[in-house]
Amino acid sequence: LAKTTQPISMDSYEGQEVNITCSHNNIATNDYITWYQQFPSQGPRFIIQGYKTKVTNEVASLFIPADRKSSTLSLPRVSLSDTAVYYCLVGSPTGGFKTIFGAGTRLFVKA
Amino acid sequence: DGGITQSPKYLFRKEGQNVTLSCEQNLNHDAMYWYRQDPGQGLRLIYYSQIVNDFQKGDIAEGYSVSREKKESFPLTVTSAQKNPTAFYLCASSSAEGLAVYEQYFGPGTRLTVT
Repeated sequence: LAKTTQPISMDSYEGQEVNITCSHNNIATNDYITWYQQFPSQGPRFIIQGYKTKVTNEVASLFIPADRKSSTLSLPRVSLSDTAVYYCLVGSPTGGFKTIFGAGTRLFVKA
Repeated sequence: DGGITQSPKYLFRKEGQNVTLSCEQNLNHDAMYWYRQDPGQGLRLIYYSQIVNDFQKGDIAEGYSVSREKKESFPLTVTSAQKNPTAFYLCASSSAEGLAVYEQYFGPGTRLTVT
């Protein structure tokens, strides 16, 4: 499983766009990138998943450059309720069930 | 309403006692998982099960045991052999097909305190 590296924490203000980058230099050809969000004392929640270029849903966008060695989760116009920990995972459809959640990035949104 | 339930939300035990954490899902998922989370840390995989009557150790299985007798249920027992059992325990489930493994649905968690 490819190892991922994320910033430990980030601060932002309400209404700003937030970009959280995840580094995965050893990503394999078949690997996909998945992001989760976790609020305090709750289980993580799936946000978005992608393989290359750009994926967008109602919550976020995921940008993946051509070399796929990193990915960026973009949260448009954050609010106080977006304060959470965000996890980046990398794995393939045939990679098995041993998912690895790293320490994640703690995003703190200020008023 | 489909989802995962974990009970209880808070659990207190004395050192040396075994304790069983409940996890039930009605999402018709084949795969289920148990994670442990310590304060300020990420999730660590304890056990996972791909299908009924089968389960595999994760990264920190020592001191824990599981069973998977029914598709809907995946209870976790924290035994007295677990040296530092106080933690937040999360159960999850997913389809067992391909990429769906990475779209896991989590329960609300059980916070276990052992004194």
